[in-house]
Amino acid sequence: DQQVKQNSPSLSVQEGRISILNCDYTNSMFDYFLWYKKYPAEGPTFLISISSIKDKNEDGRFTVFLNKSAKHLSLHIVPSQPGDSAVYFCAAKYTGNQFYFGTGTSLTVIP
Amino acid sequence: DAGVIQSPRHEVTEMGQEVTLRCKPISGHNSLFWYRQTMMRGLELLIYFNNNVPIDDSGMPEDRFSAKMPNASFSTLKIQPSEPRDSAVYFCASSPGQTYNEQFFGPGTRLTVL
Repeated sequence: DQQVKQNSPSLSVQEGRISILNCDYTNSMFDYFLWYKKYPAEGPTFLISISSIKDKNEDGRFTVFLNKSAKHLSLHIVPSQPGDSAVYFCAAKYTGNQFYFGTGTSLTVIP
Repeated sequence: DAGVIQSPRHEVTEMGQEVTLRCKPISGHNSLFWYRQTMMRGLELLIYFNNNVPIDDSGMPEDRFSAKMPNASFSTLKIQPSEPRDSAVYFCASSPGQTYNEQFFGPGTRLTVL
């Protein structure tokens, strides 16, 4: 059973606009959340993370928002650039270092 | 420092054959993870090791799958016998330790079972 869900398999956005990627989770024990980015033929790479004690974390063009009451996580990319085109995975963890990943959202930024 | 190294990058085999995937974690990392990526389930954790000891193998789909970590710098994932439904991309990842909040992934092995 998927404890982390990304319900949008794909998203297309114009260059310069905002990209919003969403993620929902079911386990209220999760206390740390991450976003990974994956280009074709490469492994996922860490992008940004947030602890459950926060509701927002920002790193340049990337911001992650956490709504614990709704068990919802989102990644905002602004402005979007063609190089952001990739698959984005949401992940969550609680004890130890076992991650639970979503199914991924493929983002296409149109020049 | 080199990242996580996986071999082979691509493997094509016939149903019933044995397949062995290999991984070299980042030097000094104590935790190693094997994942399988499919469209339906995304990145599924198959098994992970801490200090070369298997901690959780509940994600291993069947007895046909086995994994070993004989030392801190090498791990294998074996499928015997392989089936077409095993076709997927298999990733190895490593982490400095149990409390570290990031995993570093290898480039993956794309397995095709005919």
